[in-house]
Amino acid sequence: DAGVIQSPRHEVTEMGQEVTLRCKPISGHNSLFWYRQTMMRGLELLIYFNNNVPIDDSGMPEDRFSAKMPNASFSTLKIQPSEPRDSAVYFCASTPSGSYEQYFGPGTRLTVT
Amino acid sequence: GNSVTQMEGPVTLSEEAFLTINCTYTATGYPSLFWYVQYPGEGLQLLLKATKADDKGSNKGFEATYRKETTSFHLEKGSVQVSDSAVYFCALRPLQGAQKLVFGQGTRLTINP
Repeated sequence: DAGVIQSPRHEVTEMGQEVTLRCKPISGHNSLFWYRQTMMRGLELLIYFNNNVPIDDSGMPEDRFSAKMPNASFSTLKIQPSEPRDSAVYFCASTPSGSYEQYFGPGTRLTVT
Repeated sequence: GNSVTQMEGPVTLSEEAFLTINCTYTATGYPSLFWYVQYPGEGLQLLLKATKADDKGSNKGFEATYRKETTSFHLEKGSVQVSDSAVYFCALRPLQGAQKLVFGQGTRLTINP
């Protein structure tokens, strides 16, 4: 079984550029989570969706960040414009209905110079 | 509010040593408790869980007991191996909450041969 798929695995971009991170959850899972991990702040929940609907976006740092889930098999996290302080590893995780076990993807390491 | 506090790392041990990583929580009601592990370069994966007081979760030689009286869920292993080197996260799911988890800051464990 394929796990959660994230792309790209690594992204290096210049300050001011738009960045789009992608996630494909495990088939049949109905909840999807976006996290950010840094040394300073640890693991932070940015937003999560249930049945493609955003449920809690209180962790989204500011208006430069946006997330969408147009269908059950795809989600994006966009940063525009990017800043050096956005450099982090971004994880996507999904959960099947009725469960609380989160299955994490391998992450996208973002570096903004 | 809900929060998780973990023992600060990094923790360095020799192979076959006994491991304890402390975790305490604050929550309203009776949450479910989890330990996740993150191996180098990978996403988090569930290690063990406990859903009610006095439950013991166990997996791969690791154990943790849900202690309501001390609001703790300490992770233990009797004899660690080099392959246990990873970052360990304690987390809770509020009983009445939605699917999101509240994570601790993580504890980096290094096992030397």
